[in-house]
Amino acid sequence: SAVISQKPSRDICQRGTSLTIQCQVDSQVTMMFWYRQQPGQSLTLIATANQGSEATYESGFVIDKFPISRPNLTFSTLTVSNMSPEDSSIYLCSVGASGSIEQFFGPGTRLTVL
Amino acid sequence: ELKVEQNPLFLSMQEGKNYTIYCNYSTTSDRLYWYRQDPGKSLESLFVLLSNGAVKQEGRLMASLDTKARLSTLHITAAVHDLSATYFCAVDSGTSYGKLTFGQGTILTVHP
Repeated sequence: SAVISQKPSRDICQRGTSLTIQCQVDSQVTMMFWYRQQPGQSLTLIATANQGSEATYESGFVIDKFPISRPNLTFSTLTVSNMSPEDSSIYLCSVGASGSIEQFFGPGTRLTVL
Repeated sequence: ELKVEQNPLFLSMQEGKNYTIYCNYSTTSDRLYWYRQDPGKSLESLFVLLSNGAVKQEGRLMASLDTKARLSTLHITAAVHDLSATYFCAVDSGTSYGKLTFGQGTILTVHP
């Protein structure tokens, strides 16, 4: 399995500001994934964070709004930029552990934008 | 575009009863995942199904996969209150492992 931590666990932010969410994994992984879960909804993939290359974004998500960094094989950040109340969600990172077919999820960051 | 549909979306059960959650997906995929989410918590991996006819069981939960019908089921046997949670199925996009498309989720409530 993989042990994943995220910081912060929750935050309340003002509209127009930005928040950077960190995801740390206890082992090296090739790809890390960022998902959004809006209140009462399912999960939607935002982007794939690849080490050494630009992140790959899903339809409806753009780099200017959700810039991602992947400086090494155990760490990634997702920034939610110029926030509005519609960005209030839980943001989760996910990885697949080496030698495992499972996909593991971090504890999530609960973001509220006022 | 890959679509994943679960039904029912809400399920209220009595303890001791059996029920099944269905997960349909629209295109061929190598992997089908089932997750559990408790309120305010992250996702807990329950099962990963890889091949047609695959069946996995853990306690009162049993998952199966029919790739020809593009259907997976999560069967609950003799439900207990502790099973109350939201259950998601998810399917790999096929372009690379880990890019999951999720169903809407089934909110399960088990009553005494």
